[in-house]
Amino acid sequence: DAGVIQSPRHEVTEMGQEVTLRCKPISGHNSLFWYRQTMMRGLELLIYFNNNVPIDDSGMPEDRFSAKMPNASFSTLKIQPSEPRDSAVYFCASSSRLAAREFFGPGTRLTVL
Amino acid sequence: TQLLEQSPQFLSIQEGENLTVYCNSSSVFSSLQWYRQEPGEGPVLLVTVVTGGEVKKLKRLTFQFGDARKDSSLHITAAQPGDTGLYLCAGALSNFGNEKLTFGTGTRLTIIP
Repeated sequence: DAGVIQSPRHEVTEMGQEVTLRCKPISGHNSLFWYRQTMMRGLELLIYFNNNVPIDDSGMPEDRFSAKMPNASFSTLKIQPSEPRDSAVYFCASSSRLAAREFFGPGTRLTVL
Repeated sequence: TQLLEQSPQFLSIQEGENLTVYCNSSSVFSSLQWYRQEPGEGPVLLVTVVTGGEVKKLKRLTFQFGDARKDSSLHITAAQPGDTGLYLCAGALSNFGNEKLTFGTGTRLTIIP
């Protein structure tokens, strides 16, 4: 198995631009999680899905952030418009009840200038 | 509000020494996991502890879950440079296996050769 796949690995953009991060979970996993990691705040859960349905989005910072999971093999996290304070590493993770653990992708390092 | 506090936040020791890092909470968790994260990668699961008082060993690493299931510790014997990384504890409030985790603040460990 290829593991959780995230793209792009690095993204540099200017303030005000739209940013779209992509994630392909491990096949067969029915839970997907988006996290943001910074030195100041550590690893924060933004949103998670079970069976493609958003279950808890209380960690989404504000309306500029949105996440979708149109099918079991793909999810996006969109930031529009982006701001410098959104600079962080964004991780996607997937899980299943059988796995009982989260498998993390390699992350997307986002820099907003 | 951070539910899981880890200490110390940073730890730098010489190769061959022993160390213990802690994960504390005022909340009771159904299970607790420890992850290690290396630079440029996502966290990787080391162990899951489920029963209060449980002790698990993984080579030179010993994990303990507190009797009240509110805290945990990780002890490393004869630390090696390969142990360098960010250690994260994560608690689950349910036993469903794929529900969201609450991650701790992290301990950044550096082993000096």
